Amino acid sequence: DIQMTQSPSSLSASVGDRVTITCRASQTIIRYLNWYQQKPGRAPKLLIYAASTLQTGVPSRFSGSGSETDFTLTISSLQPEDFATYYCQQNYISWTFGQGTKVEIK
Amino acid sequence: QVQLVQSGADVVKPGASVKVSCMTSGYTFTGYYIHWLRQAPGHGPEWLGWINPTSGGTKIAQKFQDRVTVTRVTSVSTVYMELTRLSYDDTAVYYCARSGIVMMPSARLDFDSWGQGTLVTVSS
Repeated sequence: DIQMTQSPSSLSASVGDRVTITCRASQTIIRYLNWYQQKPGRAPKLLIYAASTLQTGVPSRFSGSGSETDFTLTISSLQPEDFATYYCQQNYISWTFGQGTKVEIK
Repeated sequence: QVQLVQSGADVVKPGASVKVSCMTSGYTFTGYYIHWLRQAPGHGPEWLGWINPTSGGTKIAQKFQDRVTVTRVTSVSTVYMELTRLSYDDTAVYYCARSGIVMMPSARLDFDSWGQGTLVTVSS
């Protein structure tokens, strides 16, 4: 199985901050990498697919980059509604998720 | 709009089975695969399997091959997931989610729409 490792596991940030979350795959996944946002009691919401393509309706402050084994999710200017847990997920071989990064208010 | 609506929460005893439904609307039922995932408290989601709504063919994660069955009823655009021989470790929120057609080249295989989740609690 392909293992996905996110860092950090949690972070504290203020509104307006630039936030970066990283995700590493245990083997190459080309660019078959997706990012989701999850708020408490809700289903995950797709933000970015194929490493860097913004899902329809997702604000442009979210961006993704990377290839092979190393990927990044960036929020350019953190907004109050962005405090949530973020997951990376690969679909190169089957589907596996990272353990999540919780973004909390500083 | 695309909607996936799941059945309500359930409490089941160890060793019993549970069946969760996922009713879809707002798109062509046979145009997308439906997947089942679960999420234990404090963990990321875990993929269980998918169903091809056209053929009824399924693929189940190896870990769950002897315990998970996924079926569909096309006349009501609904997919079902049954999990047998439940243990306390199976307590989780179970989700259905939609992806493109798995066997189609260049299909998107991310999960662009999700059900609201069904909490399954295993308790004696």
